[in-house]
Amino acid sequence: TQLLEQSPQFLSIQEGENLTVYCNSSSVFSSLQWYRQEPGEGPVLLVTVVTGGEVKKLKRLTFQFGDARKDSSLHITAAQPGDTGLYLCAGVPRNTGKLIFGQGTTLQVKP
Amino acid sequence: NAGVTQTPKFQVLKTGQSMTLQCAQDMNHEYMSWYRQDPGMGLRLIHYSVGAGITDQGEVPNGYNVSRSTTEDFPLRLLSAAPSQTSVYFCASNRAGRSRDEQFFGPGTRLTVL
Repeated sequence: TQLLEQSPQFLSIQEGENLTVYCNSSSVFSSLQWYRQEPGEGPVLLVTVVTGGEVKKLKRLTFQFGDARKDSSLHITAAQPGDTGLYLCAGVPRNTGKLIFGQGTTLQVKP
Repeated sequence: NAGVTQTPKFQVLKTGQSMTLQCAQDMNHEYMSWYRQDPGMGLRLIHYSVGAGITDQGEVPNGYNVSRSTTEDFPLRLLSAAPSQTSVYFCASNRAGRSRDEQFFGPGTRLTVL
């Protein structure tokens, strides 16, 4: 059972466009993380959100944690080819305490 | 610091063979985990350890064994490889042993079972 659903699974856009990736669940999470993974490498943490409604910004990336702590979003403004990669959300369900991952969103930004 | 290292980077096995995937970290992290990554399924937890001598099962533990004799090393053993175990395997560690803490990942081992 996939507790964290990411959408879309694939996204191909032109440089300069904006995009949003969603991470949804019916479960409440203690925290949610976003990782970025490049081919042939392991995931690298971008951000952790802990408080419901929290918004964090990392340059052109904006992360939001839903008020009910069941969902999160990643918005990229003016995407660049360097943003290309696999984006993974991960969270700790309150009833398990163990980190689980969404299935990932593959982003391709074409110059 | 080397961070989290994994060997080998690539491996091809025949069905029924056994092997050990090596993982080491030099950050003195207590918490270490093994994940497998398959297309469209994200990362799934195989086994994890909260400290030397302590291991526990994750979401998909069948067919894998682990042990943690030192803080630095956390090997993953495949007892009798099956084609369903073809995957990319990642080892990760984190500092304080809380699940929400940042996971530091190794570069992965790409395993093919024929």
